[in-house]
Amino acid sequence: DQQVKQNSPSLSVQEGRISILNCDYTNSMFDYFLWYKKYPAEGPTFLISISSIKDKNEDGRFTVFLNKSAKHLSLHIVPSQPGDSAVYFCAASVWEGGSEKLVFGKGTKLTVNP
Amino acid sequence: DTGVSQDPRHKITKRGQNVTFRCDPISEHNRLYWYRQTLGQGPEFLTYFQNEAQLEKSRLLSDRFSAERPKGSFSTLEIQRTEQGDSAMYLCASTVGQYPRNIQYFGAGTRLSVL
Repeated sequence: DQQVKQNSPSLSVQEGRISILNCDYTNSMFDYFLWYKKYPAEGPTFLISISSIKDKNEDGRFTVFLNKSAKHLSLHIVPSQPGDSAVYFCAASVWEGGSEKLVFGKGTKLTVNP
Repeated sequence: DTGVSQDPRHKITKRGQNVTFRCDPISEHNRLYWYRQTLGQGPEFLTYFQNEAQLEKSRLLSDRFSAERPKGSFSTLEIQRTEQGDSAMYLCASTVGQYPRNIQYFGAGTRLSVL
C-alpha cells in the first residue's frame, strides 16, 4: 500500500520555466511533509518542508503547496535551472508503531534542459 | 565535513556471505535511521534508534538483518547469509528535530551487490 504517491516518474522542462512536481498521499495522520533532492551516487538532500497547519512554504526559488482536503502537495521551482536536474522525493512524517518515521514516494526525475 | 558518513560506499559480495555497514551520524543527533532503496523506489524504512535504543524494526528487516548503535554514537547494519534480493542501496539518516518536524539528514549510502 503506497501511502505517498508520485505518479509522474519523470518531468522535462526548459531552463527558466516553472517545474511543478506533484505528490498525493492517503494517510490523514501525516502531519509534516518534506521534499528531498537526490543526485546520482549521493544520498537524498533535504530541500523544503511544510507543516500540515500551513498551505504554503517558500524558500527562494522553491515553493511547496499543501492541499489537505485533496491530500495533495506540490513543489514549484521557479525559474528552473539545469543544476536542478535530479530525482525529487516527496516524504511524509508520521508517528507509527511507537516511533516517528518518514514515508517516501517513488520519486520524480526532473530534467531541466538548457 | 560534519555530515552523515557511511562506509563502505560500495560492497560486492557473494551470496551467503555476511556483510557489515557502518554509519556515523551528525554528532549531536540522537536519532538514527536505516533505509533501503531499490531501483525505481523511494527509501524504505528499516529500523530506528533513539540514542542506543533500537525502538522499531520494519517487517522488511528479516532475521538475517541486525543493527546496533553502541553508546548512541555510530551504528552498524549487518546482513548475514546475503541473498541476491538484498542488493540495494542502504541509506543512513540522522536527526535531532522534534516530531513532527522530522527533518532527516542522509549519508551517501552503501551500495550492496550480491552476486
